[in-house]
Amino acid sequence: DVVMTQSPLSLPVTLGQPASISCRSSQSLVHSDGNTYLIWFQQRPGQSPRRLIYKVSNRDSGVPDRFSGSGSGTDFTLKISTVEAEDVGVYYCMQGTHWPPAFGGGTKVEIK
Amino acid sequence: EVQLVESGGDLVLPGGSLRLSCAASGFTFTNYWMTWVRQAPGKGLEWVATIKTDGSESYHVDSVKGRFTISRDNAKNSLHLHMNSLRAEDTAVYYCAKGGTHDGDHWGQGTLVTVSS
Repeated sequence: DVVMTQSPLSLPVTLGQPASISCRSSQSLVHSDGNTYLIWFQQRPGQSPRRLIYKVSNRDSGVPDRFSGSGSGTDFTLKISTVEAEDVGVYYCMQGTHWPPAFGGGTKVEIK
Repeated sequence: EVQLVESGGDLVLPGGSLRLSCAASGFTFTNYWMTWVRQAPGKGLEWVATIKTDGSESYHVDSVKGRFTISRDNAKNSLHLHMNSLRAEDTAVYYCAKGGTHDGDHWGQGTLVTVSS
């Protein structure tokens, strides 16, 4: 099975400063159809997960443009250009290329 | 607006059974694969099962295979998870999600299943 490894586990950030989360997979996430099914979710405290980014870098409708996704193969990054108070929560990457789908362990973003 | 409303979570004894439901609205249910994902208290997310648009194919992760069954009723826009032989480690919030392994674009608020004596 594919293993997804996120870092860091915890990310204290000053408001208005950038943040970056790394996600690595144990094998390439390029699907036979040519797409890379790497998704980023945000889970705010007490809420269900919300999809932010799909296929590595496509932002969902309503997601602020301060969120961006990048990467390829086995190495992916979620960046927040300027962190706002509403960005506090846990962020998960997930691969949907290989069965079974797998989530990273999560990165907790908090305000310093 | 897409809405997914889970129900059926409860406190159940080890070895017991439970049936979860998810009522879907705001989109054409028959066009989408559907999925169950769970989250143990204070833990991360775990994919549970996924079912094709017409219910002809379904996939379950190894940890629930043979005990859980995903199903859908397209006439009623509803998704179900039949859970048998429940174990303490199945204790979690169970989320219904729109889409399959490539999607997961909307999630419900979840329903809590607690397996304990």
